[in-house]
Amino acid sequence: AQTVTQSQPEMSVQEAETVTLSCTYDTSESDYYLFWYKQPPSRQMILVIRQEAYKQQNATENRFSVNFQKAAKSFSLKISDSQLGDAAMYFCACPGATNKLIFGTGTLLAVQP
Amino acid sequence: EAGVTQFPSHSVIEKGQTVTLRCDPISGHDNLYWYRRVMGKEIKFLLHFVKESKQDESGMPNNRFLAERTGGTYSTLKVQPAELEDSGVYFCASSQDGIRTRDTQYFGPGTRLTVL
Repeated sequence: AQTVTQSQPEMSVQEAETVTLSCTYDTSESDYYLFWYKQPPSRQMILVIRQEAYKQQNATENRFSVNFQKAAKSFSLKISDSQLGDAAMYFCACPGATNKLIFGTGTLLAVQP
Repeated sequence: EAGVTQFPSHSVIEKGQTVTLRCDPISGHDNLYWYRRVMGKEIKFLLHFVKESKQDESGMPNNRFLAERTGGTYSTLKVQPAELEDSGVYFCASSQDGIRTRDTQYFGPGTRLTVL
């Protein structure tokens, strides 16, 4: 069964610094997408970044980038130049056996001014 | 383009009452999903519609939960009767392609349900 593990329940970063959130997953698929979502206090779940597993190049969206290690089934999220608005719960997700997404338990990121 | 919308944003009900949550997906998205996050736990899948048909309802906790998607547009999730353990945030998501391992789902803001 597909599983997603986020081993860091909470993280803290200083404004303008860089932080990396960890995620490992388990899937038997060969072609799939992986996702990072963020849920700020406003509660809206926002898609942060998506990685296509068949692409070796790591996805990048402005200050957000991933370090995708397919063999290790690792999919970490790096946030550069952290801003106060980045404070949120971050969820890593991978596709399940059907169309459902399997989520990790989340990492609560605090950004210190 | 409007995103996924959900109504209400917050609902507080007594145990034994009925609550109906509504989700309007992104226009043109045939795939609609319901998820739930119970406090402090991971987000868990409830069910998946393709247009008006239930494709997968393996995550529905029990028969107190009823989901419908009239005409393949908006969806409702009814909880009847509500129990304390039903409290949590209910998310709706929609997607266009529905290609199993490559399906990008866009989420709504969620409905926070509190059962007292």
